[in-house]
Amino acid sequence: GNSVTQMEGPVTLSEEAFLTINCTYTATGYPSLFWYVQYPGEGLQLLLKATKADDKGSNKGFEATYRKETTSFHLEKGSVQVSDSAVYFCALRTNAGGTSYGKLTFGQGTILTVHP
Amino acid sequence: DVKVTQSSRYLVKRTGEKVFLECVQDMDHENMFWYRQDPGLGLRLIYFSYDVKMKEKGDIPEGYSVSREKKERFSLILESASTNQTSMYLCASTISTVSSYEQYFGPGTRLTVT
Repeated sequence: GNSVTQMEGPVTLSEEAFLTINCTYTATGYPSLFWYVQYPGEGLQLLLKATKADDKGSNKGFEATYRKETTSFHLEKGSVQVSDSAVYFCALRTNAGGTSYGKLTFGQGTILTVHP
Repeated sequence: DVKVTQSSRYLVKRTGEKVFLECVQDMDHENMFWYRQDPGLGLRLIYFSYDVKMKEKGDIPEGYSVSREKKERFSLILESASTNQTSMYLCASTISTVSSYEQYFGPGTRLTVT
């Protein structure tokens, strides 16, 4: 079956530090990959996505590259801010037809805290 | 602006009670989902629905049922609440096409069963 593994958290950084959150996956076929973010007290929202190998998703200074050879989709940001403090989820969607459209498999989430 | 709303942000129920969690979306989406979120386990899919009155079990359906009588509303039912169902419950929806990439989430309901 499908699975997503994220690096253990929590991650604590100082403002302007470099961020990497590792994500690896197991899936049949060629999945689409996503990073979702959950700010305190809110639901999840899509941060970025990549739909095929070597695609790079980017948004709000965050980037992740779909690496098929290493089955990875690591999230990076060059300079984090206090406002980036949140829980980050890596997820995949297999591109099967029928009623599977839109179903996601999530990783366990990584808590990020950024201090001033 | 897209909107998924959930009936309660916080709920406290007693063991054995029947519990209803309601979710409403205003985007005319076909697909709706119920997840539970637990620390260290991420989001796990309980049930999803791809059309009115249609439903499929997710990864952890035991102890739950769902109802979708109208396209915009998807209800999660705990027939007899137990303490191991204390959790954060998240509802989400998405349009049903091959290119439907984004699930839209509600703010969550934190349920405590005592």
